[in-house]
Amino acid sequence: EIVLTQSPGTLSLSPGERVILSCRASQTISSSYLAWYQQKPGQAPRLLIYGASTRATGIPDRFSGSGSGTHFNLTISRLEPEDFAVYYCQQYGGSPPLTFGQGTRLETK
Amino acid sequence: QLQLQESGPGLVKPSETLSLTCIVSGGSINTFSYSWGWIRQPPGKGLEWIATISHTGNTYYNPSLKSRVTISVDTSKNQFALRLTSMTAADTAVYYCARQSALTWGLIGDWGHGTLVTVSS
Repeated sequence: EIVLTQSPGTLSLSPGERVILSCRASQTISSSYLAWYQQKPGQAPRLLIYGASTRATGIPDRFSGSGSGTHFNLTISRLEPEDFAVYYCQQYGGSPPLTFGQGTRLETK
Repeated sequence: QLQLQESGPGLVKPSETLSLTCIVSGGSINTFSYSWGWIRQPPGKGLEWIATISHTGNTYYNPSLKSRVTISVDTSKNQFALRLTSMTAADTAVYYCARQSALTWGLIGDWGHGTLVTVSS
């Protein structure tokens, strides 16, 4: 089982700031099968990034993903008020089980 | 536009069996392009994958739940289901159904709104 560790657990930021979220895998994720999801309170998660760096349909270009192997990042270039949420990374494409990171919460400073 | 809607009891007693259904609308469940799955989220906690069923009927389960879980598809009703036996308080969670890519196994493109299941006597 691939364990995903996200850091930090919580970030306090202001709109307009740039933020980088980290996701580390316990073993190499093949073909960069790493996704990022955004979850707002009371809502289901929404796919942001797949393949480590490809934005899903309709996702603004202020969101970008990078990384390979065991180290992956999600960057939000300029935080908008609607971006304050919890972000999860997920590995897929390999053998079960699918696993998620524990999440990073972005809160307003 | 695809919609996924979970249905089932909001309250289950300890030791009982949970049965949830996901009704798929706006698209056919009988497609080679997608698999169908369940994910859950305990209150205030992270996401846990439960199970996936492929378009060929192959099933995949989280090892931590495998002995208690069954996933199935009913193509005639365009829905799929989850059955989880021997429920305990630790199974209290929001349960989401989801459409997953078949090409890149496990990538979740679409989610239901989720249904809260509480285990309590």
